[in-house]
Amino acid sequence: DSGVTQTPKHLITATGQRVTLRCSPRSGDLSVYWYQQSLDQGLQFLIQYYNGEERAKGNILERFSAQQFPDLHSELNLSSLELGDSALYFCASSVSVGELFFGEGSRLTVL
Amino acid sequence: QQPVQSPQAVILREGEDAVINCSSSKALYSVHWYRQKHGEAPVFLMILLKGGEQKGHEKISASFNEKKQQSSLYLTASQLSYSGTYFCGTERHSGTYKYIFGTGTRLKVLA
Repeated sequence: DSGVTQTPKHLITATGQRVTLRCSPRSGDLSVYWYQQSLDQGLQFLIQYYNGEERAKGNILERFSAQQFPDLHSELNLSSLELGDSALYFCASSVSVGELFFGEGSRLTVL
Repeated sequence: QQPVQSPQAVILREGEDAVINCSSSKALYSVHWYRQKHGEAPVFLMILLKGGEQKGHEKISASFNEKKQQSSLYLTASQLSYSGTYFCGTERHSGTYKYIFGTGTRLKVLA
């Protein structure tokens, strides 16, 4: 158990819909990262927050947005969903650079 | 641009050794290695810093050549439990600091 909690674990929705993925980091970790992993592919960096502020942004689509709240939990919002958005979305947290602790992921299926 | 790992995939027998390489086109300040077992989240293995400091894990060790912008992961006397996909990770400095992962290497250990 990494200490990072992601909900929901599985999500099935239709094209054009909007979903919200939630992440609770390990206690004490200020950094939260979001990654997208398509079937049997690598980990694509989406966005990172540090103590409530956006720190870095990767190849995150304009249809996607995220935020980190004062209690440090984070949410990733995906809207106008397309079939290609189907993937495993991981949240990770860290207290120092590089030692990331990952949640179990949220598997999104867009039909 | 993400670091490139080689080989893309490797199959071993229990007890055999393997080397996984991670090469970057940009300067590497530190490298981290993760293992992701099928259907699970990536798990941090080790960190390598400039100057050669490293932390090992079980029978897995790694090296970091700053000049060549390359890191190598050495798996000695592989065990069935070593099967999974290995990713190197690094912080990329390009305006902001993005934590990105390499292309991944699939390792399968057979009995």
